[in-house]
Amino acid sequence: DAGVIQSPRHEVTEMGQEVTLRCKPISGHNSLFWYRQTMMRGLELLIYFNNNVPIDDSGMPEDRFSAKMPNASFSTLKIQPSEPRDSAVYFCASSLGRGGLREQYFGPGTRLTVT
Amino acid sequence: GESVGLHLPTLSVQEGDNSIINCAYSNSASDYFIWYKQESGKGPQFIIDIRSNMDKRQGQRVTVLLNKTVKHLSLQIAATQPGDSAVYFCAETGERGSTLGRLYFGRGTQLTVWP
Repeated sequence: DAGVIQSPRHEVTEMGQEVTLRCKPISGHNSLFWYRQTMMRGLELLIYFNNNVPIDDSGMPEDRFSAKMPNASFSTLKIQPSEPRDSAVYFCASSLGRGGLREQYFGPGTRLTVT
Repeated sequence: GESVGLHLPTLSVQEGDNSIINCAYSNSASDYFIWYKQESGKGPQFIIDIRSNMDKRQGQRVTVLLNKTVKHLSLQIAATQPGDSAVYFCAETGERGSTLGRLYFGRGTQLTVWP
């Protein structure tokens, strides 16, 4: 299995631009998670899908952030408009079964830099 | 509030020695705990997990101990190797209504192994 796939691996954009991060979970996994990691705040859960349905989006910072999961094999995290404080590494993870009660498999992450 | 924290932000050990990484949690209802390893530039990687009905679980060179009385979790690595150098995170989850399925991560401990 190829594991969780994320694209792009690196993204540099200017403040105000739209950014779209992509994730392909492990085939057969029915839970998908988006995390953000920074030195200051550590690893934070942004949103969690189960069977393509958002279960918990309480970690989404504000309306500039949105996430979709149109099918079991694809999810996007969009930031519009982007701001310098959004600079971080964004991870996607997937798991089989009910969310955090099973081990989550993380992708390699997307390093976002907003100038 | 809920929190998962680590006693020590850094740990340096000599190759061949045993390492012990500690973690405290605050939610007594947590029923599942996981240790992750994150190497530089990569996503977190699952190491070992333990459920609240257990006190100890062993893997290959790793042992996780759970003390529910004091809400403390530890990861022991036997015969530490240079390849073990990474940041180690503990995470916990449990039944919490609308937040069901979330993993709460600690801030991480940087383990450095010296030859």
